[in-house]
Amino acid sequence: NAGVTQTPKFQVLKTGQSMTLQCAQDMNHEYMSWYRQDPGMGLRLIHYSVGAGITDQGEVPNGYNVSRSTTEDFPLRLLSAAPSQTSVYFCASSMTGDGANVLTFGAGSRLTVL
Amino acid sequence: AQSVTQLDSQVPVFEEAPVELRCNYSSSVSVYLFWYVQYPNQGLQLLLKYLSGSTLVKGINGFEAEFNKSQTSFHLRKPSVHISDTAEYFCAVSHPFSGGYNKLIFGAGTRLAVHP
Repeated sequence: NAGVTQTPKFQVLKTGQSMTLQCAQDMNHEYMSWYRQDPGMGLRLIHYSVGAGITDQGEVPNGYNVSRSTTEDFPLRLLSAAPSQTSVYFCASSMTGDGANVLTFGAGSRLTVL
Repeated sequence: AQSVTQLDSQVPVFEEAPVELRCNYSSSVSVYLFWYVQYPNQGLQLLLKYLSGSTLVKGINGFEAEFNKSQTSFHLRKPSVHISDTAEYFCAVSHPFSGGYNKLIFGAGTRLAVHP
């Protein structure tokens, strides 16, 4: 069981470039989410999805886009990267309903914007 | 709105000593509470959770936490730590009625450093 797979693990971008962080899960989880982790601030929710075709904003959505065309995949897009988006990004998924209380996290993607 | 405060950013401790990592939350409604651990260069792993029932919750690796509603706290404890417990620990809260999914709000984290 692969769980939650994030790619790439590391990425360096220049200001203004665009890129997509990939997230895939093989557990048939309905709920998927993206967090960013910054020193001294813990993890902050960027966007989340409760199923294919349904997405919503979290605490810090500005500068990021998401879509959910399949249950398995939840990519995070940076359309015009800024140095403030330098961070470690985590994708997490869970069941909904009674199984909703355990999130499974990916290993993270470290992004540096110069 | 919910929020989580982890009262210590770093906790140094000697091996085999007891440790307590403190967590306070604010919420106007009932909550679910969680502790996650992050080992270096890895994702987060669930240590334990409080959903309802007994206020003393036991988790993996010998950790336990106690939910105190009157003090809005959920402190994490271990009676004897090992070098391998060196990691960052995150307290998190969610609203149990948020549409059946788990939108977690995290604290800033506590870095536990266990020294020989």
